[in-house]
Order: sequence, then C-alpha cells, then structure tokens
Amino acid sequence: AQSVTQPDIHITVSEGASLELRCNYSYGATPYLFWYVQSPGQGLQLLLKYFSGDTLVQGIKGFEAEFKRSQSSFNLRKPSVHWSDAAEYFCAVGLSGNKLTFGGGTRVLVKP
Amino acid sequence: NAGVTQTPKFQVLKTGQSMTLQCAQDMNHNSMYWYRQDPGMGLRLIYYSASEGTTDKGEVPNGYNVSRLNKREFSLRLESAAPSQTSVYFCASSEKPNQPQHFGDGTRLSIL
Repeated sequence: AQSVTQPDIHITVSEGASLELRCNYSYGATPYLFWYVQSPGQGLQLLLKYFSGDTLVQGIKGFEAEFKRSQSSFNLRKPSVHWSDAAEYFCAVGLSGNKLTFGGGTRVLVKP
Repeated sequence: NAGVTQTPKFQVLKTGQSMTLQCAQDMNHNSMYWYRQDPGMGLRLIYYSASEGTTDKGEVPNGYNVSRLNKREFSLRLESAAPSQTSVYFCASSEKPNQPQHFGDGTRLSIL
C-alpha cells in the first residue's frame, strides 16, 4: 500500500539553528512531492513542490528540499530557523491523478 | 484575494443532526477536495471532484456526501452526525490534477 511517513512527531530547535524534517514514502513509481506548512488555526500553505528535474528544490520562506530516489525520501531543510517558523509541517505525495496522501505531520517548536 | 473560503468556521452539533459545510474558490480551479484532519493522522481525503460534474470517494467517505454545485462550489454534507466525525475539515482546490492544492482555513466541527 502507498504510504507517507514523517518519523518525527515533534522537533524542538533553537532560533538560528538549522532544521531538517524527514519524509519517506513508499510508492512504486516516482511520485509528485510537496511540503506544506500549517500555522495554528489556519489552513495549509504550500512551501515547495517537486515534479521532475533538479532534485534540490527551493521554496518560499528560505526552505529547500532534496529528493533522493534511492532512499524514497524528500527531506525539508532550512539553514537558520526564525521564531515564525514554529508550525506544523506536512509532507504530501501523489501519483498521476488527483489524490494526495499526507504524512502525519511534524510539529516544530522554536526556542528563543 | 479570497482563494478558498469555507463556512462556517466553527460548529457544534448533536449526534444525529445534519449539517452542510460550504466551500467556494475564486481561482477558476477545476479540481476540489474535502479533507478531515485529526491529531497525529495528517489529512485524510474524504471526497474529491476532479472537474465540474464529477465526484469520487477518497480514503474515508463513509458518513459523508458531497455536491459539486458548479465550478466554484463544493459542499460536504453529514446526514446524521456521529461523535467520530468531530474533526477539522479542510476544503482545497487545484487548477488540474497533480497541481498544488490551495487550502481554506478549515471548519472546526464538534459533535456531542
């Protein structure tokens, strides 16, 4: 069965430190890959997407993600986090068609 | 610059009551979706509409019905609400299959 796993439920990081959020998927073919961010009480906002081509993808708010086919991973990174990055982050994966499958989310807490 | 608008934002129901959640998008998108979000479970697709006039079941359709009223509007109906349907419901839309989805701010539904 197709699945998306975000192994870390919570991550605490100090302001100014680097951040990496993990996402692994199990699909038969290379899927479309997305990262979304959700601030409290709000909907999801797209950070970045990967469809094909360069495996290092740049997104908004200084985020980037790297697709590694051999590891079935699409990890999200930011070199230096800001207090405003405290939120929940969702990885989403889809094949051709409409359905996206979302991971369970990783909640990021930022320490001053 | 509304994007995806969901109404109501909050609702409390008693078991057995019926309710329709409304969703409208102003981006001329073809595809629309309904998700529910529960703690630790990410977003699960309830129903989607690939284009005006079509609807399909997602991962968790039981207890729900949908109507794609026109290209802009996609409603979700609970005919006989159950406590297990207490959740946050998100509507989303995308220009076409595989394109990034844009989300509303959600409807927080409690069923007593």
